[in-house]
Amino acid sequence: DQQVKQNSPSLSVQEGRISILNCDYTNSMFDYFLWYKKYPAEGPTFLISISSIKDKNEDGRFTVFLNKSAKHLSLHIVPSQPGDSAVYFCAATFYSNYQLIWGAGTKLIIKP
Amino acid sequence: ETGVTQSPTHLIKTRGQQVTLRCSSQSGHNTVSWYQQALGQGPQFIFQYYREEENGRGNFPPRFSGLQFPNYSSELNVNALELDDSALYLCASSPGQGVTGELFFGEGSRLTVL
Repeated sequence: DQQVKQNSPSLSVQEGRISILNCDYTNSMFDYFLWYKKYPAEGPTFLISISSIKDKNEDGRFTVFLNKSAKHLSLHIVPSQPGDSAVYFCAATFYSNYQLIWGAGTKLIIKP
Repeated sequence: ETGVTQSPTHLIKTRGQQVTLRCSSQSGHNTVSWYQQALGQGPQFIFQYYREEENGRGNFPPRFSGLQFPNYSSELNVNALELDDSALYLCASSPGQGVTGELFFGEGSRLTVL
């Protein structure tokens, strides 16, 4: 039973345009969501997070939006840069819980 | 500041064997978590150690076991290896038990079971 789903295995975006990565979840009890980025041969690195009491969180070029009624979150990257090419994972957890529940990832390719 | 390091980076074992994977946590971090990432999937939580005690476990059988040492480094042991154990094993450290902040991951140990 996949509680966190990333339905797009890959996404190709032109450099300078907006990249939008999507994530859906099924468990309404999740109250904290995170995005991680992973380059080949490296471990995932934390990108940005959002608490369920918010609907938006920004950090530079990265913005995460949370729609609790739709159980959907999205990561916006503006403008997209070549270094953003990586696999992006969405993860969810319960506050002060000890584990992250991950989606399968979306491979983002930024075209020059 | 030293990041999370894992060893070995790659290894090949045969079915039925045992394997030990090692992880050194980031300086100042007292919590270590282990994840298994199969090809094409997201990481799956195996267990977490906080101050040398296991304080959370995912849906993995008892042949997956671990240790955390006084310096907060950690080992993951897998007995009676099965073909499905082939995966990337990721270690992550954090400064506390709860996961509301970021986890710091090592590059992983890629295990192939033949």
